[in-house]
Amino acid sequence: NAGVMQNPRHLVRRRGQEARLRCSPVKGHSHVYWYRQLPEEGLKFMVYLQKENIIDESGMPKERFSAEFPKEGPSILRIQQVVRGDSAAYFCASSPDRVLSYNEQFFGPGTRLTVL
Amino acid sequence: DAKTTQPPSMDCAEGRAANLPCNHSTISGNEYVYWYRQIHSQGPQYIIHGLKNNETNEMASLIITEDRKSSTLILPHATLRDTAVYYCIVSSPYSGNTPLVFGKGTRLSVIA
Repeated sequence: NAGVMQNPRHLVRRRGQEARLRCSPVKGHSHVYWYRQLPEEGLKFMVYLQKENIIDESGMPKERFSAEFPKEGPSILRIQQVVRGDSAAYFCASSPDRVLSYNEQFFGPGTRLTVL
Repeated sequence: DAKTTQPPSMDCAEGRAANLPCNHSTISGNEYVYWYRQIHSQGPQYIIHGLKNNETNEMASLIITEDRKSSTLILPHATLRDTAVYYCIVSSPYSGNTPLVFGKGTRLSVIA
């Protein structure tokens, strides 16, 4: 079974450009989470989505960041007008739709965003 | 904020057992203890979880104290590939799918 896939693995953008990060969850998983890891820091939750719905976006900056998980296709994390402080590793995780999920989340390899 | 505290770093000799402690003194009755690890630059990997009984799987064992205020992850025969940051997380699965709250974790270095 294919795990969580993220692309691109590395992304370089200049200040002011847009960054689009893609995440394909494990087949059959309908819950997607995005986390950000700044250099030398732990992972911080950004947003939790279920198909076509944002469930929790409490960790996402109010401006420039948006996320979607359409009915068809991957989840997209979009960062507009990137700044150097956005440079980080962005990880996507997915989990199945079970009543008792035990919160076992499957993580992708991450996208490393570098803003010049 | 994370509800767990862990030592920032530990060393372990290759082939010996690695015992990673975690304090979670404010854990509530319906919260489980989860362990994940992150090998350098990779995405976190689920290891094991438990409620109050000791648990074992092919990767590790989890020992939870009777009062549930602390736990220990045991890697029985550590290898160099076990070098990673280990995260202890408490969360309730009864709230449905919820985001994980990562603390700073313990950086385990397995030494040859």
